[in-house]
Amino acid sequence: AQSVTQLDSHVSVSEGTPVLLRCNYSSSYSPSLFWYVQHPNKGLQLLLKYTSAATLVKGINGFEAEFKKSETSFHLTKPSAHMSDAAEYFCVVRGNSGNTPLVFGKGTRLSVIA
Amino acid sequence: ETGVTQTPRHLVMGMTNKKSLKCEQHLGHNAMYWYKQSAKKPLELMFVYNFKEQTENNSVPSRFSPECPNSSHLFLHLHTLQPEDSALYLCASSQDLEAETQYFGPGTRLLVL
Repeated sequence: AQSVTQLDSHVSVSEGTPVLLRCNYSSSYSPSLFWYVQHPNKGLQLLLKYTSAATLVKGINGFEAEFKKSETSFHLTKPSAHMSDAAEYFCVVRGNSGNTPLVFGKGTRLSVIA
Repeated sequence: ETGVTQTPRHLVMGMTNKKSLKCEQHLGHNAMYWYKQSAKKPLELMFVYNFKEQTENNSVPSRFSPECPNSSHLFLHLHTLQPEDSALYLCASSQDLEAETQYFGPGTRLLVL
């Protein structure tokens, strides 16, 4: 079975400072991992995904995440936060056994202070 | 935009009403999904359709009734809902069940009084 834990329900950063959103996963299989973002009144949008290729994954809007198997982590980072990054971020895991469903974390709300 | 649209965007209904949520995808995908997003809880997968056939029902109460007339359209029929059913209902689609990326619509914000 797969599960994912987002360690912070809310993160607040100043504009221009680094962003770190933490995610730990549990999976019986070699997992696929995703980060989705949800802006207010919008659907979820895929930021990036890891599917057993390079462990450092680059996504849209300057975000990236590193798959660390030894730590079972897939933290999301960005060097410099922008006001438009304020949103809810979801870490998602999926096992690689057939058509297994996506399993979502509870989400981390990112606030960016001017 | 993701190519997945949902109507209505907001809905208020009484517990005795019957209403339907609509989802349409313009991506040529074959799999479609309904999710429920409640405050402080992870997204919950409700139903999965693949080539118009329901492949998964995650123990959803019968007051929620899905319908998939074709691969581009998905409905969620609502009947005698409870206040705890108030949530954001998200539709998503993917190329097929094995595809890793799902594309989400903006959701319908439902309030049950």
